[in-house]
Amino acid sequence: GENVEQHPSTLSVQEGDSAVIKCTYSDSASNYFPWYKQELGKRPQLIIDIRSNVGEKKDQRIAVTLNKTAKHFSLHITETQPEDSAVYFCAASRGKNSGGSNYKLTFGKGTLLTVNP
Amino acid sequence: DTAVSQTPKYLVTQMGNDKSIKCEQNLGHDTMYWYKQDSKKFLKIMFSYNNKELIINETVPNRFSPKSPDKAHLNLHINSLELGDSAVYFCASSGFGAASYEQYFGPGTRLTVT
Repeated sequence: GENVEQHPSTLSVQEGDSAVIKCTYSDSASNYFPWYKQELGKRPQLIIDIRSNVGEKKDQRIAVTLNKTAKHFSLHITETQPEDSAVYFCAASRGKNSGGSNYKLTFGKGTLLTVNP
Repeated sequence: DTAVSQTPKYLVTQMGNDKSIKCEQNLGHDTMYWYKQDSKKFLKIMFSYNNKELIINETVPNRFSPKSPDKAHLNLHINSLELGDSAVYFCASSGFGAASYEQYFGPGTRLTVT
């Protein structure tokens, strides 16, 4: 089955700096890669996702890059703010239209991001 | 206007008891999921239903039994609760077409077994 590795497990940055979180996956059939943000005591919330037919996607201060050949993808947050502090999870899925373990999200173990004012 | 809701939010119970957690979504989605988040924050899928049909059943003890009475509801019943069942349980749902990949999570149910 799919295995997703996420690094680093903790990341501390100064406000205004950039933060980068990296993930690798093992299943070459995975074609959907979302990122979730989970604040303390709250639900995971989808912040950005990318599908295998594109290499990069941006939404304001956040961006995700995907390298299908190397089977890794990354989350980039620029101009970090204290409210960006949370646990971030990457995930991988084959999606609904692939056979086998479709629908299923396999998560990385999370990165605790702390943005210091 | 809550999209995915769960009840109860907190559940404290003793070992050996049986308990249920309910989930409802008003997004019109056709697929629903149960995830378990352990004390180390690791999120792992347990079950998934598509149009009331079980499509994912990970290696979860038989004491856990999901039930989907209709597309908008997915409940989780747990028999003979054990200490190791203590965790936060999240329900999620996903929809159709281009949005079918995106999963939206409920607020979670924190289960504590004493």
